[in-house]
Amino acid sequence: SQELEQSPQSLIVQEGKNLTINCTSSKTLYGLYWYKQKYGEGLIFLMMLQKGGEEKSHEKITAKLDEKKQQSSLHITASQPSHAGIYLCGADRTDKLIFGTGTRLQVFP
Amino acid sequence: SQTIHQWPATLVQPVGSPLSLECTVEGTSNPNLYWYRQAAGRGLQLLFYSVGIGQISSEVPQNLSASRPQDRQFILSSKKLLLSDSGFYLCAWSVGSGSYNEQFFGPGTRLTVL
Repeated sequence: SQELEQSPQSLIVQEGKNLTINCTSSKTLYGLYWYKQKYGEGLIFLMMLQKGGEEKSHEKITAKLDEKKQQSSLHITASQPSHAGIYLCGADRTDKLIFGTGTRLQVFP
Repeated sequence: SQTIHQWPATLVQPVGSPLSLECTVEGTSNPNLYWYRQAAGRGLQLLFYSVGIGQISSEVPQNLSASRPQDRQFILSSKKLLLSDSGFYLCAWSVGSGSYNEQFFGPGTRLTVL
């Protein structure tokens, strides 16, 4: 089974709605990264979380790492069409990252 | 500033043909380099990573291979492509070692094997 599971796999929301994407690990997370990928393009770094309970925000995107450091959530407030894409969480493993299964987000007007 | 290049951007190859994808990084020294594959609609799968020239670690057994002939050059190859090799290939780099290695990704190569 996948070490990092994301849910949901896909999400279709109306513009202006809030949404949450979850990333769950079977192991303790010592560094958790969120990336966004526009269709057919490379990945863009969003933010990184390290400490249990940590929360970071950038524009309308907020990411949290739970106290037990095994789950992270990405929350988008008032979604816009520019938020559409694939969101991937990544976890630090020595010298490399492993990635979650990805969540495909579509935002319609 | 650092930049990462991948080419070609797209590639259509027949089954059984060879493959060579190239990735180069500018503006940094001794980066860690990575090759990922993303099958349609799925997450990223780490294929290979390298912490130095000539040092390659393989994550998934397959008919692909990687080489790092120069510090900032990473090549993904195959002698005979399979249909299952189709996908979107991403190269990435990072600096440092151990934990907390934020990775920076290239634009990707879309490979279609027919």
